[in-house]
Amino acid sequence: QVQLQESGPGLVKPSQTLSLTCTVSGGSISSGVYYWSWIRQYPGKGLEWIAHIYYSGSTDYNPSLKSRVTISVDTSKNQLSLKLSSVTAADTAVYYCARERRGFYGGNWGYFDYWGQGTLVTVSS
Amino acid sequence: EIVLTQSPGALSLSPGERATLSCRASQTVSSSYLAWYQQKPGQAPRLLIYGASNRATGIPDRFTGSGSGTDFTLAISRLEPEDFAVYYCQQYGSSPTFGQGTKVEIK
Repeated sequence: QVQLQESGPGLVKPSQTLSLTCTVSGGSISSGVYYWSWIRQYPGKGLEWIAHIYYSGSTDYNPSLKSRVTISVDTSKNQLSLKLSSVTAADTAVYYCARERRGFYGGNWGYFDYWGQGTLVTVSS
Repeated sequence: EIVLTQSPGALSLSPGERATLSCRASQTVSSSYLAWYQQKPGQAPRLLIYGASNRATGIPDRFTGSGSGTDFTLAISRLEPEDFAVYYCQQYGSSPTFGQGTKVEIK
């Protein structure tokens, strides 16, 4: 059974960089079958896909966040990471990592079959 | 960006009743790349349906997804107590986006 666990600071000051790590267990990030994604959920409950990465390092980003986001993978530790720069209060959310499975006919994106429990990040001074 | 609009925003039903949730896309969702998730308070979303109509592993057959193009539906045939939750649709035919959710609450 695949499990994902997010970790990182729960409080970040405005203008600083948010950094989170997701540790994957029960499966290898290097399996080559899946993308690995970051998704956030605002306090008002809306969900927003942030970015994903393939084990090779290939990435895609949400166009609305692309200028501020970096996603990376460490296959030796079976981890993926997220950095979001220049944060504001609008970035306050629960951040999830998730395994992303591509559609039956392929394509660049997929659906999310395993999720971490999520970690709340609050942006405040 | 494909915008997904879910309706209704909330649905008040009794256990045993049928629930019908709608998800409408602003553009055609290619290859019927649409998924449905269930979320309970304090939990991560749980995958129910992918490819518009395929149930995920372990999902009971009272959950049925249908639709294509821009109009999709999730039906729950007979509501069980554990089905009262928020439901989200998500498209993955292009950069993923989610609907705003439908809350199914106990009447």
